[in-house]
Amino acid sequence: NAGVTQTPKFQVLKTGQSMTLQCAQDMNHNSMYWYRQDPGMGLRLIYYSASEGTTDKGEVPNGYNVSRLNKREFSLRLESAAPSQTSVYFCASSEVKDKQYFGPGTRLTVT
Amino acid sequence: ELKVEQNPLFLSMQEGKNYTIYCNYSTTSDRLYWYRQDPGKSLESLFVLLSNGAVKQEGRLMASLDTKARLSTLHITAAVHDLSATYFCAGGSQGGNKLVFGAGTILRVKS
Repeated sequence: NAGVTQTPKFQVLKTGQSMTLQCAQDMNHNSMYWYRQDPGMGLRLIYYSASEGTTDKGEVPNGYNVSRLNKREFSLRLESAAPSQTSVYFCASSEVKDKQYFGPGTRLTVT
Repeated sequence: ELKVEQNPLFLSMQEGKNYTIYCNYSTTSDRLYWYRQDPGKSLESLFVLLSNGAVKQEGRLMASLDTKARLSTLHITAAVHDLSATYFCAGGSQGGNKLVFGAGTILRVKS
């Protein structure tokens, strides 16, 4: 039982490049989330998916897109990376109104 | 819109001392979570508080919830070095799955 897995663990991009962060969970959770963590700001929700086939914007969605590929997988895409998107990205999953389980994170640097 | 504020943001403690971290939230929230994060690691769930007056304890940590005051506290008893970490509280948006996180409290326990 791996819980929530994320790939890659580290990534360096140049401004304007695109990339997709992958997330998968094996707990059969309906809801999945993408957060970014910046120093002194806690975690901010980018997008979430309450159930397979649905996605909604969170607090900071600009510059990102998501795909809920199936119940297990939820990907985050940066179409044209900017230095302001340098951050640590966490994926999480949960059942409705239950605690969220977090992945190990992806450390992204945009130069 | 739910907002969550923690204080203090940084706490340096001596081993053996007691202290409390405070978490205030701005509007009605139907659940409150506490998470721990070690440097460079992911978030680990500590407590889930679902009702007014809820109190949960695990080892040297005790969390409580006062929904009328919109306040949760995390009390540390007889701190030890292993408790050094960043602690986050998060409030659940009513009727939905989304969480709003506080900025986090960096706890350093000195021997």
